[in-house]
Amino acid sequence: AQTVTQSQPEMSVQEAETVTLSCTYDTSESDYYLFWYKQPPSRQMILVIRQEAYKQQNATENRFSVNFQKAAKSFSLKISDSQLGDAAMYFCAYMGGSQGNLIFGKGTKLSVKP
Amino acid sequence: NAGVTQTPKFQVLKTGQSMTLQCAQDMNHNSMYWYRQDPGMGLRLIYYSASEGTTDKGEVPNGYNVSRLNKREFSLRLESAAPSQTSVYFCASSPRYTEAFFGQGTRLTVV
Repeated sequence: AQTVTQSQPEMSVQEAETVTLSCTYDTSESDYYLFWYKQPPSRQMILVIRQEAYKQQNATENRFSVNFQKAAKSFSLKISDSQLGDAAMYFCAYMGGSQGNLIFGKGTKLSVKP
Repeated sequence: NAGVTQTPKFQVLKTGQSMTLQCAQDMNHNSMYWYRQDPGMGLRLIYYSASEGTTDKGEVPNGYNVSRLNKREFSLRLESAAPSQTSVYFCASSPRYTEAFFGQGTRLTVV
């Protein structure tokens, strides 16, 4: 069975600084997708970034980028120039297998200090 | 665009009562999911449906049943609610092998 592990329950960053959130996963599949979702206090689930496993190039979306290490099964999220609005829960997620099952990690709560 | 619509948004049940959480999506997605979110536990998959007419158990299916009524609708039923089922429930859909889209969630309290 696939698993997703986020080892940092909480993280803190100073406004305008850079922070990296860690995620590792376990799978025997060769083709899969990885995601980072943001959940602000409103409870809404917002897609931050997506990575296809067959692509070696790391995905980027404005201030958000990932470091995808397929052999190490690692998928970290880097947030540059952190803003107060980045404060939220961040979830790493894996989608793969014949059914396209979507599995989440336990999340990292990010605080941004002004 | 409505996206994924969940009803109700809030519900209080007494132990032993039953209820159905409704979910509908208007994006013609094949896959649909039900999750529960508890503090410190992330989102745990209850059931999912890869296509109309199929359903499969996720990580925490006990105490729940689902119905994929058609391609649009995927309902979650609690036959006899227990306090341990107090949680926030999310429905999601995806076109498969791409990102999932989520409903606004249902906060359920069982007393």
